[in-house]
Amino acid sequence: GQQVMQIPQYQHVQEGEDFTTYCNSSTTLSNIQWYKQRPGGHPVFLIQLVKSGEVKKQKRLTFQFGEAKKNSSLHITATQTTDVGTYFCAGRRRGGSNYKLTFGKGTLLTVNP
Amino acid sequence: AAGVIQSPRHLIKEKRETATLKCYPIPRHDTVYWYQQGPGQDPQFLISFYEKMQSDKGSIPDRFSAQQFSDYHSELNMSSLELGDSALYFCASSSSQWGSYEQYFGPGTRLTVT
Repeated sequence: GQQVMQIPQYQHVQEGEDFTTYCNSSTTLSNIQWYKQRPGGHPVFLIQLVKSGEVKKQKRLTFQFGEAKKNSSLHITATQTTDVGTYFCAGRRRGGSNYKLTFGKGTLLTVNP
Repeated sequence: AAGVIQSPRHLIKEKRETATLKCYPIPRHDTVYWYQQGPGQDPQFLISFYEKMQSDKGSIPDRFSAQQFSDYHSELNMSSLELGDSALYFCASSSSQWGSYEQYFGPGTRLTVT
């Protein structure tokens, strides 16, 4: 079955440092979504990438989708304490169901003020 | 804006009991998803419904069943509960109208089986 690997599992940074999490799928994806889950909260949709090589920015967050549509990354510039949480990528397999997302294991980001 | 509503928020059951979790999607969303999330784990997809029909099935145990009703709310029925069923259960909803399928999660139901 489809597997989505995500690294690193944990990342601790000093406030103001940058942060990157990487996502890799065993199969080609039709699209990939990113979610953020604060401690004790629920996953919150951040963005969806659809096109090969796509890059999208949301303020300090930059999302990339690989040319082969099998990998993706999320980069946060100058982290803040409000960035704390677990970041999940979730992919939809190309040719697969529109209704099934496979989540990566997530990267837990902690920020030291 | 209206969000996904889940009830109850917390539920404590004993082994071998049954539990019913409810989910009320965002108005005009046509798809509902159920996920199970253990401590420190990623959400595991259980099942989804589109327009009241089961659309996809994940790692849902045979002891669990779910359905979506005419008003689009969904219920997850869990029988013969086991200790390992203790987890956070999320419901999410999405709209297929624009083809994006971005999912909006509810606050979750924390199920504890003792």
